[in-house]
Amino acid sequence: QVQLVQSGAEVKKPGASVKVSCKASGYTFTSYYMHWVRQAPGQGLEWMGIINPSGGSTSYAQKFQGRVTMTRDTSTSTVYMELSSLRSEDTAVYYCARGRVGSGYPAIPGIFDYWGQGTLVTVSS
Amino acid sequence: QSALTQPASVSGSPGQSITISCTGTSSDFGGYSYVSWFQQHPGKAPKLMIYEVSKRPSGVSNRFSGSKSGNTASLTISGLQAEDEADYYCSSYTSSSTPYVFGTGTKVTVL
Repeated sequence: QVQLVQSGAEVKKPGASVKVSCKASGYTFTSYYMHWVRQAPGQGLEWMGIINPSGGSTSYAQKFQGRVTMTRDTSTSTVYMELSSLRSEDTAVYYCARGRVGSGYPAIPGIFDYWGQGTLVTVSS
Repeated sequence: QSALTQPASVSGSPGQSITISCTGTSSDFGGYSYVSWFQQHPGKAPKLMIYEVSKRPSGVSNRFSGSKSGNTASLTISGLQAEDEADYYCSSYTSSSTPYVFGTGTKVTVL
């Protein structure tokens, strides 16, 4: 069965960086994209970006350009999301979600079919 | 890129049907097929309930159905049950520089 297991909670100081991991199992890692989505306390979902584990190409939300880096390690079927220059507003639960290409238009990985359990990142001085 | 607009809350009695709307702009929905709906219980990860406007993943009850008309997508829950009480989010592919957007979220209460 498909599983996405994320790393544990983190507490960081403003200005620091955080790197969250998402280990995939139960499917061919390089056949599906991976999205990153975050949710601030009591708030809605926010799309951060996507990585293609096959070639490592990425696309980031304009809001996070220059601060976020998504990478992957095909040997361990793990994707990583690193966010730098942290501020208090970055306190949130960060989720990875598998991206599947559907039959619709256009042919993009627009189906978020499996999600990790989430990783709480707290930014506080 | 602004979030898609959903009502903050919707409620209904057990057995009733409710509908949650999700409104965007023509650039949000356009002619795209990638409208999804997610259910989120407190402290849990979102769960895919509807994808490509009206398709249900395996294991999702047929009490959940989706549709889209113009710039508004809708999720209908029929035969409302206590376990349906949760937050619901829509999402869509968009033609903007940020290609995926979520809705503001709707809290469903079963009376």
